Amino acid sequence: EAGVTQFPSHSVIEKGQTVTLRCDPISGHDNLYWYRRVMGKEIKFLLHFVKESKQDESGMPNNRFLAERTGGTYSTLKVQPAELEDSGVYFCASSQGGSNEQFFGPGTRLTVL
Amino acid sequence: AQSVTQLGSHVSVSEGALVLLRCNYSSSVPPYLFWYVQYPNQGLQLLLKYTSAATLVKGINGFEAEFKKSETSFHLTKPSAHMSDAAEYFCAVTTFSGGYNKLIFGAGTRLAVHP
Repeated sequence: EAGVTQFPSHSVIEKGQTVTLRCDPISGHDNLYWYRRVMGKEIKFLLHFVKESKQDESGMPNNRFLAERTGGTYSTLKVQPAELEDSGVYFCASSQGGSNEQFFGPGTRLTVL
Repeated sequence: AQSVTQLGSHVSVSEGALVLLRCNYSSSVPPYLFWYVQYPNQGLQLLLKYTSAATLVKGINGFEAEFKKSETSFHLTKPSAHMSDAAEYFCAVTTFSGGYNKLIFGAGTRLAVHP
């Protein structure tokens, strides 16, 4: 069974540019989560989808971040325009409905210059 | 509100020595607690979890953790370190309500194992 995949693994962009991160959850997992780790700090929750609906987006930093989950399958996280403080590793995780175990992807390392 | 404190951002042990990674949590409701491990260039992998059953929880790769409510702790241990245990370890807390859980992580502890 394929795990959670994320694309790209690394992205280097300049301040003011736009970047889109993609996450493909484990097939059949209704819950999809995005987290972010800024260098040296803790991993922080960004938002949670149940199928295609946003259930909790309390961790989204500001309106430069837009997450979508088309058709309840893969999800994208767009940052527009990117700022220096957006640099970090963005993790995606998924879980089955009713399960407390989240499966994480390898993360996307975003560097904003 | 919930929070997690991991004492020691870096821990170094000798191969064969005891591994002890400390985690203290704060939660106003009964918590669910997790330890995740991240090996280089990989995602987070669940080591073990406490979900209000047995207080001593055994996980993969010989790790275990004990939930101590009186001390609000969930320390991770392994009797004998192996070189392959070198990784970063994360403690996390959550409540499991509504069928999903938002994980609150500690800052992580990087474990180095030397010969």
